[in-house]
Amino acid sequence: RKEVEQDPGPFNVPEGATVAFNCTYSNSASQSFFWYRQDCRKEPKLLMSVYSSGNEDGRFTAQLNRASQYISLLIRDSKLSDSATYLCVVVSGTGGFKTIFGAGTRLFVKA
Amino acid sequence: NAGVTQTPKFQVLKTGQSMTLQCAQDMNHEYMSWYRQDPGMGLRLIHYSVGAGITDQGEVPNGYNVSRSTTEDFPLRLLSAAPSQTSVYFCASSYTGGSGQPQHFGDGTRLSIL
Repeated sequence: RKEVEQDPGPFNVPEGATVAFNCTYSNSASQSFFWYRQDCRKEPKLLMSVYSSGNEDGRFTAQLNRASQYISLLIRDSKLSDSATYLCVVVSGTGGFKTIFGAGTRLFVKA
Repeated sequence: NAGVTQTPKFQVLKTGQSMTLQCAQDMNHEYMSWYRQDPGMGLRLIHYSVGAGITDQGEVPNGYNVSRSTTEDFPLRLLSAAPSQTSVYFCASSYTGGSGQPQHFGDGTRLSIL
């Protein structure tokens, strides 16, 4: 079993749709959680951190469920520019040095 | 701001050749790391460093060496290139390696081994 698992997609949605991505992780001692965005043939860029209380940044909402070892990302009112691969990232280990990336979920937003 | 700079951006090698991928950051970050990204597998950690003079192995270290003589630079050396090392390589840095610290990535080096 992979340490961080994501649905690879692709998700094909129309502009304005709401789409949700899920991610599960296997290490219950994991300490930090992030969502990164990666455009085709580009470097990953931080989208947002994920906190137990849940957090929101504009149209993006991230949730963490430690009991179920589950992370989610909700995108409301999808834009064409949201088309990208979304990477779930889990950090664990002493000092937080073990950073595991999920394989990513592809999103295509259509006009 | 330059951020994290990787060179070269593209490279083609023959099996058995050696080369060094360069990575430099100008943000005074203590933590630096190297990843490789292959289709369908996400990013995998090769080596990382928590400060000058300190390095450690990640998930897939075999065939690669690193050193950290300065805070700014973290080169990755391929000792004897193999076709299995064909990949996109990303260097990343963060203020510290501690939890809650997001990483900043370079543009990547696309490496092909023939």
